Amino acid sequence: QVQLQESGPDLVKPTQTLSLTCTVSGASISSGDYYWTWIRQSPGKGLEWIGYIYATGSSYSNPSLESRVSLSVDRSTNQFSLTLESVTAADTAVYYCARSHVQLWFDPWGRGTRVTVSS
Amino acid sequence: DVQMTQSPSSVSASVGDTVTIHCRASQNIRSWLAWYQQKPGIAPKLLIFSASGLQSGVPFRFSGSGFGTNFTLTISGVQPEDFATYFCQQAASFPRTFGQGTKVEIK
Repeated sequence: QVQLQESGPDLVKPTQTLSLTCTVSGASISSGDYYWTWIRQSPGKGLEWIGYIYATGSSYSNPSLESRVSLSVDRSTNQFSLTLESVTAADTAVYYCARSHVQLWFDPWGRGTRVTVSS
Repeated sequence: DVQMTQSPSSVSASVGDTVTIHCRASQNIRSWLAWYQQKPGIAPKLLIFSASGLQSGVPFRFSGSGFGTNFTLTISGVQPEDFATYFCQQAASFPRTFGQGTKVEIK
């Protein structure tokens, strides 16, 4: 079955850049049916949709984060990535990657990776 | 952004009870609503899509209903493995938004 796994640093300093990668197994990221998604969860903001990227590289991000977010896809390694610039403590969260069918629902999700922003 | 408001924030139930969770959207989202279940330390799992569609593999005791701005998730005969937090999510417009969650606890 389809599985997703996030990877990246646990700790990022304020003002630095957070970079996470999601590795997809059991399905090709190039499959035209799906969009690849980042979502984060924090005690203060709950679940927050960050953005989608399609296999072609076209993407759409949450306007609240758009100026700091960059999404990319690497079809050769079946991975997609999130970059978030100029992080603050408010970006501390569990970050999930997920698959979305036709940009609607999210299934399945990765196990999540906890990222703390602190000096 | 479409605001999603869930009620109650928590509910206590005994095994076998029927539990009802409500989700209200700040604007008309037709049937573009999903429900997820999340257990501690585990990623959310899709239960219901399109307001009432049961995701493959999800037990039939879970059901969803509603249209427009008011939606309901019902668990008919709560089982021990159902004690978790439930979230709604709208897919009618961008950005996608989630409710704040309803925790179903053991009475």
